[in-house]
Amino acid sequence: DVKVTQSSRYLVKRTGEKVFLECVQDMDHENMFWYRQDPGLGLRLIYFSYDVKMKEKGDIPEGYSVSREKKERFSLILESASTNQTSMYLCASSLAQLTSYEQYFGPGTRLTVT
Amino acid sequence: AQTVTQSQPEMSVQEAETVTLSCTYDTSESNYYLFWYKQPPSRQMILVIRQEAYKQQNATENRFSVNFQKAAKSFSLKISDSQLGDTAMYFCAFMNLSGGGADGLTFGKGTHLIIQP
Repeated sequence: DVKVTQSSRYLVKRTGEKVFLECVQDMDHENMFWYRQDPGLGLRLIYFSYDVKMKEKGDIPEGYSVSREKKERFSLILESASTNQTSMYLCASSLAQLTSYEQYFGPGTRLTVT
Repeated sequence: AQTVTQSQPEMSVQEAETVTLSCTYDTSESNYYLFWYKQPPSRQMILVIRQEAYKQQNATENRFSVNFQKAAKSFSLKISDSQLGDTAMYFCAFMNLSGGGADGLTFGKGTHLIIQP
């Protein structure tokens, strides 16, 4: 089974802190994604990556950056956390080849910024 | 850009009943996939069913089936013989294949489905 893991289930940070959210997948997937989930808004794409060291902005990249130094790991970085970044963050991965295009999701990190 | 609309924020049905969740989308693309994902209280997103836009036949997976109306840009999910374990948030999602599937999903806002015993 594909496994996508995220470093924390719950995280509490203070305003202005630098925050790292880590995601690791074990199925050699090329594509990796970071989404933000808020009640009443669904999931929104923050950044995605289709290869090591490659990154593309999604729909809401402001206030975030990402890093992909290894194929299996995709990090989301909040350079200076703000209270409006309190949210659930979901990581996902998928194969690049012609497939079903299914994305496999991690369990999510609920981040609270105080 | 594409948009996905789920017009039912919450639905509640009795166990064993059939329920239909609605989803409409807007796109100018011709090559795309549509998905329904389920998110139970455990928060783990699980793929329920997928539909390729070029296929006219509606996808089915056991008790789950879709009604895909391409011209109307409609993609509803039917759950037959609903079970308590079907209680979850359900998200409709769109994938544009012009980027080879690497571009991410566009999600609707979700429908909270509650199955009553």
